Amino acid sequence: DTVLTQSPALAVSPGERVSISCRASEGVNSYMHWYQQKPGQQPKLLIYKASNLASGVPARFSGSGSGTDFTLTIDPVEADDTATYFCQQSWNDPNTFGAGTKLELK
Amino acid sequence: EVQLVESGGGLVQPGRSMKLSCAASGFTFNNYDMAWVCQAPKKGLEWVATISYDGSSTYYRDSVKGRFTISRDNAKSTLYLQMDSLRSEDTATYYCARPRELGHYFDYWGQGVMVTVSS
Repeated sequence: DTVLTQSPALAVSPGERVSISCRASEGVNSYMHWYQQKPGQQPKLLIYKASNLASGVPARFSGSGSGTDFTLTIDPVEADDTATYFCQQSWNDPNTFGAGTKLELK
Repeated sequence: EVQLVESGGGLVQPGRSMKLSCAASGFTFNNYDMAWVCQAPKKGLEWVATISYDGSSTYYRDSVKGRFTISRDNAKSTLYLQMDSLRSEDTATYYCARPRELGHYFDYWGQGVMVTVSS
């Protein structure tokens, strides 16, 4: 299975820009997607196919990358963005998720 | 507004069975494939199974093949997951989710239901 590697945690101050990375063990074309999960809640789709903003998601969120290296950027970060962010690839079968990056605000 | 509401979780002994349900509303259920995704405690997410919009095709991750069965009742707008021969490693929160673009990503998720497999 394709392994997706994410940094475990990040801490940033409100108003800053943060980049969350996801590296795939093999190429996934542009089929990388990003989700936000707040404590006790279900995941929420943020970005699909590397750079497409999901419906209703603020433009502060953006995605980039292709192949094996992908980035979710939040600019500027707001207090409400405290959450765990997961990447998911769907180019290789089965689709797989990263372990998540926990974003904390200083 | 799209809503997915799971039910049927709880505590079950190893080797026993449990059936989860997911009631869908806010969209034309029989036009969409549906899926189950699980999340073990303090762990990441894992796709479990997908069923086509008309129920004619089903797909499973290897670890649940032969033990889990995904099904749907389009007249009731309800998705099911029959889980047999449960193991401790099946302990997780199970989410009902709506896959898009041939199952590449999931645009709506239910709130999840916890399944604990323990003696």
